[in-house]
Amino acid sequence: GAVVSQHPSWVICKSGTSVKIECRSLDFQATTMFWYRQFPKQSLMLMATSNEGSKATYEQGVEKDKFLINHASLTLSTLTVTSAHPEDSSFYICSARDFGPRGDNEQFFGPGTRLTVL
Amino acid sequence: AQSVTQPDIHITVSEGASLELRCNYSYGATPYLFWYVQSPGQGLQLLLKYFSGDTLVQGIKGFEAEFKRSQSSFNLRKPSVHWSDAAEYFCAVGTFPNTDKLIFGTGTRLQVFP
Repeated sequence: GAVVSQHPSWVICKSGTSVKIECRSLDFQATTMFWYRQFPKQSLMLMATSNEGSKATYEQGVEKDKFLINHASLTLSTLTVTSAHPEDSSFYICSARDFGPRGDNEQFFGPGTRLTVL
Repeated sequence: AQSVTQPDIHITVSEGASLELRCNYSYGATPYLFWYVQSPGQGLQLLLKYFSGDTLVQGIKGFEAEFKRSQSSFNLRKPSVHWSDAAEYFCAVGTFPNTDKLIFGTGTRLQVFP
């Protein structure tokens, strides 16, 4: 099946610093990628939809200036958490949509990135 | 507004026993329904999906789910659980074709005893 990777898998940073998380579709091209946030023992909440070559669409309540999303190529989207604070600590998951014959509009999920802000 | 409810936060079953995980949704149009499994350190894996047609959907790993419009439900079933099925299970509703969004339930953690 289609594979989506995320890097890093976990990161610890100091409060006030910025952290970049990468999401890559390894064996297919993804014009659309999604970023989710998952708190412990809770569900995945969609943060934003990232479209290649255009600005991301953010969900209500998500600060676009804090969570910068760039989708510069068909296989890579990045999420940058700017001026991170402890309340930003969470599990961030990306997914990539494959519109190909195999994909049937299915989202394929990355393994997630655990962010801890001290 | 669209929503997904998974009433059971945690379920424990014995290996070899049957399993049913409940999922109820709220969506005004015809729903696109999904079940995903999440194992520690791994991404969500699609077990099965329902878009249209036969309301009983077969998935991977021996799972199946039945769409019941009258009950707004999409329960996941497996006749005989294996220890490797222990994981977190998420039901989701897709809002296609209007948007690409998936709305997830809060998940059910499955524990399997030998």
